[in-house]
Amino acid sequence: EDKVVQSPLSLVVHEGDTVTLNCSYEVTNFRSLLWYKQEKKAPTFLFMLTSSGIEKKSGRLSSILDKKELFSILNITATQTGDSAIYLCAVEANGQFYFGTGTSLTVIP
Amino acid sequence: GAVVSQHPSRVICKSGTSVKIECRSLDFQATTMFWYRQFPKKSLMLMATSNEGSKATYEQGVEKDKFLINHASLTLSTLTVTSAHPEDSSFYICSGTGRGASYGYTFGSGTRLTVV
Repeated sequence: EDKVVQSPLSLVVHEGDTVTLNCSYEVTNFRSLLWYKQEKKAPTFLFMLTSSGIEKKSGRLSSILDKKELFSILNITATQTGDSAIYLCAVEANGQFYFGTGTSLTVIP
Repeated sequence: GAVVSQHPSRVICKSGTSVKIECRSLDFQATTMFWYRQFPKKSLMLMATSNEGSKATYEQGVEKDKFLINHASLTLSTLTVTSAHPEDSSFYICSGTGRGASYGYTFGSGTRLTVV
């Protein structure tokens, strides 16, 4: 059965900390892995990863994919209270998306 | 292009009535539209996948006669919740992709449905 697992389920950190969110997957016909940030409404796209070992960066956020070990990590450095959100990982395979359960991140001042 | 406009953003309806949710791709041709439902404190659940000009493919456990999906053009897909019940109250989101989409898949802004 195809599945996507995110860990941890929730995380509370202080401003300035660095966090690493994990997403592991078991799917057939993998095509891509996407990270989203969800605050109040719809998810906001962060990264799309298709190749192993190539880090994608956007400001304080970065992500990398390991297609051999079947996981991806999302790093956030120097966290801010505005980073508080649910971070969703989705894997595209077999013509559809499989979402993880999300990691709820809370950054406290 | 990467904009999907979803309407309405919020709707309250009475039990037994039908509600239509629209998703329009504004700057690309959405050949495929995914419809999701989100329950409180949970991740998104894929309900169905629709391809322009063909019947939608529904996920197991999703009633196709209750959640009618129409994808008649490359810029518009609709989800109609028929004979709505309070348990249908949820947050519904679409996500589209196709020719001209900048980075694969773009979400609409979501629709909060409350059935009273």
